[in-house]
Amino acid sequence: NAGVTQTPKFQVLKTGQSMTLQCAQDMNHNSMYWYRQDPGMGLRLIYYSASEGTTDKGEVPNGYNVSRLNKREFSLRLESAAPSQTSVYFCASSGLGQGVNEQFFGPGTRLTVL
Amino acid sequence: QQQVKQSPQSLIVQKGGISIINCAYENTAFDYFPWYQQFPGKGPALLIAIRPDVSEKKEGRFTISFNKSAKQFSLHIMDSQPGDSATYFCAASMKGAQKLVFGQGTRLTINP
Repeated sequence: NAGVTQTPKFQVLKTGQSMTLQCAQDMNHNSMYWYRQDPGMGLRLIYYSASEGTTDKGEVPNGYNVSRLNKREFSLRLESAAPSQTSVYFCASSGLGQGVNEQFFGPGTRLTVL
Repeated sequence: QQQVKQSPQSLIVQKGGISIINCAYENTAFDYFPWYQQFPGKGPALLIAIRPDVSEKKEGRFTISFNKSAKQFSLHIMDSQPGDSATYFCAASMKGAQKLVFGQGTRLTINP
């Protein structure tokens, strides 16, 4: 039982390059999330998927796209990376049990855009 | 728009002392208030959570105090240990909602 896995762990991009961050969970959760973490800013929601086949914007969606490939996988794509997207990206998942929204986080991807 | 404000941004406490981190929220529709703990290089993990029908919840050395009228809640860590050194995030969500709104985080250092 791996929980939430993310690939890659580290990535360096040049401005304008594209890449996809991969996330998978094996807890049979319906909901999945992408956050970015920046110093002093906490965790900010980029996109989330309440269930397979649906996606919604979060607080900071500009410059990102997502795909909920199936119940297990939720990917985040940067089409044209910018230095402002340098951050640590976390994927999370949750399954509403007894109304409690406990989110389980992956280990993160540290992205640097030069 | 920051709906959950957390303070302080960083905190240093001596071993054995009490660590206190505060959060304030604006949206009275919030009804679930968790705290997450994050160690360096790891993702956050749920530490303890409270709903507004109680004023306090205790799990071991960790206690949440909740003041509904003031729209504030806080995390107290009793007998703080060096292993508690981490970043702590408060959060909030509305009933039935699947999104959490996080505070800015507090980097806690416990000196031996």
